Formats: sequence, structure tokens, C-alpha cells
Amino acid sequence: QAGLTQPPSVSKDLRQSATLTCTGNSNNVGNEGAAWLQQHQGHPPKLLSYRNNSRPSGISDRFSASRSGITASLTITGLQPDDEADYYCSAWDSSLSAWVFGEGTKLTVL
Amino acid sequence: QVQLVESGGGVVQPGRSLRLSCAASGFTFTNSAIHWVRQAPGKGLEWVAAVWYDGSNINYSDSVKGRFAISSDNSENTVSLQMNSLRGEDTAVYYCARELLARGSTFDNWGQGTLVTVSS
Repeated sequence: QAGLTQPPSVSKDLRQSATLTCTGNSNNVGNEGAAWLQQHQGHPPKLLSYRNNSRPSGISDRFSASRSGITASLTITGLQPDDEADYYCSAWDSSLSAWVFGEGTKLTVL
Repeated sequence: QVQLVESGGGVVQPGRSLRLSCAASGFTFTNSAIHWVRQAPGKGLEWVAAVWYDGSNINYSDSVKGRFAISSDNSENTVSLQMNSLRGEDTAVYYCARELLARGSTFDNWGQGTLVTVSS
């Protein structure tokens, strides 16, 4: 099943901002948007943002999601050392009747 | 608090079967869906299957369709994943994750995962 496209890696300086992208098509990201998840090594993923760019309770407002057409974005402001992790996007694909994931972006905080 | 606990992982030979379970607690199981998502060693996340609390609305990824079967027991608040005809590429940590149907918050809580190793 075709997945979503994410850059493999992004590096940013401490306290700067990072914007991660996720490109799909009109059947997935362009249709219902994307969810964003953070995963630290050795731990299960954690949901950062879901449908309509909503944040679950307890997620910092430093994490904000948006979408333009078939590309979803996650912006992280005021980067902290603990933000260094893998970030995945995911979306429901209406043509496949399946959830699809991006391959993940490894964020390095310098 | 919300808890999802996976069990049933282990080492299995190619072609054999294994059954995973996901025990849910700390929330109202009805009006939720449970997803299975796997992660091969050193790789990214791959969605496997999902089922609503009442056993309806089942979906599978193409990679497991016809080999895996997901089911829900809402009297026990448990979701199972029956995995048949296992292959080496099924080796992964298998996570179950919750979706609140009314909110559309897919993957909002995760278990710790259970490792499945398919090897002769």
C-alpha cells in the first residue's frame, strides 16, 4: 500500500523551530488530514495531533499541525532536547480503506 | 487511567499461527475502536488492522489480508489478532492503539507492544 512521504531527517538548533512535512494524495491527507505521532527510541508512539489538527490533552502547544492540500505539516517551536525523536504522520486512505503511515522523520536537536 | 496491554507474542516458525490479545481498561470500551500497528526492528510504523468495539467495521492492510483476523469481545474489553501463515516479514513489535470514535482521535493511546519473531 502506498504510504505517505516524509523527509528522512531534519536537524535544527535548540530553541529554534522545526517544520516537518508529510505528503500524500487526495484520497488520504487531502481528504481527512493527517495525525502526527512522536516516538522516542524504545517506547511506543505518542499522539501529538489528530483530525482537524486537534491536540490531545497534555500535549504542549509548542506542537501545532496544519494542512495545505495534500501536504500536512507539524511545527515544533522552541525546540527542546526531549523533542529529539522520530515523527510519523498517518492518514485514513479512503481508496484503500486502510490507514497509511509515513516512513518517519528523525528530528535531531543540535 | 487508560491502559492497553498486549500479550501473546513469541517465537514462531514460518507458516505457523499465533494469537495476540489486547486487554483494554480505564475507559469505556464501547464507542471505541482498537487498531493493531506493527514495527519491524529498526523500521517505521505499519498499520495492520482495526475493529470497532462491537466487532463491526473491520479493516486490514493488504499485507495481512487473508492471513490475519481481528475480533473484539466487548464483554471482556479485549481485542484479538489471529495471525496465520506467518512469514519472516511479519517479525515486529505489535502494538494495539485506541481510537475514540466520537472524537476521531485515532491512535490516542498505545500499549507497550508484544514482540513476534517468525523464524525457523
